[in-house]
Amino acid sequence: EAEVAQSPRYKITEKSQAVAFWCDPISGHATLYWYRQILGQGPELLVQFQDESVVDDSQLPKDRFSAERLKGVDSTLKIQPAELGDSAMYLCASSFTGRVEETQYFGPGTRLLVL
Amino acid sequence: AQTVTQSQPEMSVQEAETVTLSCTYDTSESNYYLFWYKQPPSRQMILVIRQEAYKQQNATENRFSVNFQKAAKSFSLKISDSQLGDTAMYFCAFIRTSGTYKYIFGTGTRLKVLA
Repeated sequence: EAEVAQSPRYKITEKSQAVAFWCDPISGHATLYWYRQILGQGPELLVQFQDESVVDDSQLPKDRFSAERLKGVDSTLKIQPAELGDSAMYLCASSFTGRVEETQYFGPGTRLLVL
Repeated sequence: AQTVTQSQPEMSVQEAETVTLSCTYDTSESNYYLFWYKQPPSRQMILVIRQEAYKQQNATENRFSVNFQKAAKSFSLKISDSQLGDTAMYFCAFIRTSGTYKYIFGTGTRLKVLA
């Protein structure tokens, strides 16, 4: 069964450094989501792509976070500079067309620790 | 603004027994979808069950069923014949069908199935 791939699975960095996470959605899925999950909380949407276009980045801290999906397939989420409060699990998900009733398929996540 | 509340941070159940996880939400929307997602330890989050608010019949998926009380804004998940593999974090999620479509997740319930 096709799965959403993410790398790296774990990342330890020092504050003020740059970090990048990669996500490869299920083939054919037009919609890609990046979530941040702080320990003890549910996931929170950071950015949503429809093909290569951003449709929602209202919760993305744009002074330090950026996301791209240049060819409408895989995606990269970057943090520069990282802050202590960025320590969290970063989840990527995809869905076929982005319709509200569709299942979102989640990747295993990247656990980030900022020291 | 929509909110989702899961008031049970942790629960446990004996194998083969039945357990109910609670979820309440707040919205002024008339139509929306509700979901239960399961996040096993160190594995990706997967969809358990979904319910459209316009449908009065409670959704059922094998051993999983919901009790959807629209007027009370309650959406509980019942797991029958609990299995060790049901051990996971369970997240309730809300998504509206108008405007911007994004999940609002609760804080999760950690369920442990005991042998």
